[in-house]
Amino acid sequence: DAKTTQPPSMDCAEGRAANLPCNHSTISGNEYVYWYRQIHSQGPQYIIHGLKNNETNEMASLIITEDRKSSTLILPHATLRDTAVYYCIVRVATGGFKTIFGAGTRLFVKA
Amino acid sequence: EAQVTQNPRYLITVTGKKLTVTCSQNMNHEYMSWYRQDPGLGLRQIYYSMNVEVTDKGDVPEGYKVSRKEKRNFPLILESPSPNQTSLYFCASTPKGSGKGEAFFGQGTRLTVV
Repeated sequence: DAKTTQPPSMDCAEGRAANLPCNHSTISGNEYVYWYRQIHSQGPQYIIHGLKNNETNEMASLIITEDRKSSTLILPHATLRDTAVYYCIVRVATGGFKTIFGAGTRLFVKA
Repeated sequence: EAQVTQNPRYLITVTGKKLTVTCSQNMNHEYMSWYRQDPGLGLRQIYYSMNVEVTDKGDVPEGYKVSRKEKRNFPLILESPSPNQTSLYFCASTPKGSGKGEAFFGQGTRLTVV
């Protein structure tokens, strides 16, 4: 499974969009991009995933570049409760479940 | 309610005393996995299982055992715990299928080995 690179921390003003980048330059054609977040020491929470098309759900949007070497998670209107560590991972969706989490990005949403 | 349940949530034990952390999921997921989380090191995968009686090593399997005798349960066994296994442990389950892969995590087990 490919590894990912994320900035260690980011700040965002409450109510503004939070754009979290992720680099996955060694991603394979059958690997999906997944995003999770972890608030304090709770279990990580799934946010969104995609293969090559942009995706949107009630929590966030995922923008994947055309060459699939990087992606951006967008929280459209960040709130204080979005303060968390955000993890970007890449892995195949079938045939195995070996998963590599990096250190993630610690997002601070400030009032 | 769909969930992954870990027990116990907190455990303090002594070096060398065998322990088991249980994990159970009620979603009929094929895949299950164990992680440990340490400050500055993020989440590291210990073992994973693709189905009953099918398990494989993750990145940090030393000192741990697992078993998958039933689809819903995936216990983590520490035969002889040591202080370097003091950590926060998470169990996760995921459905099988192309395009799926949303992992559901338990609430964690904080283990202290003295």
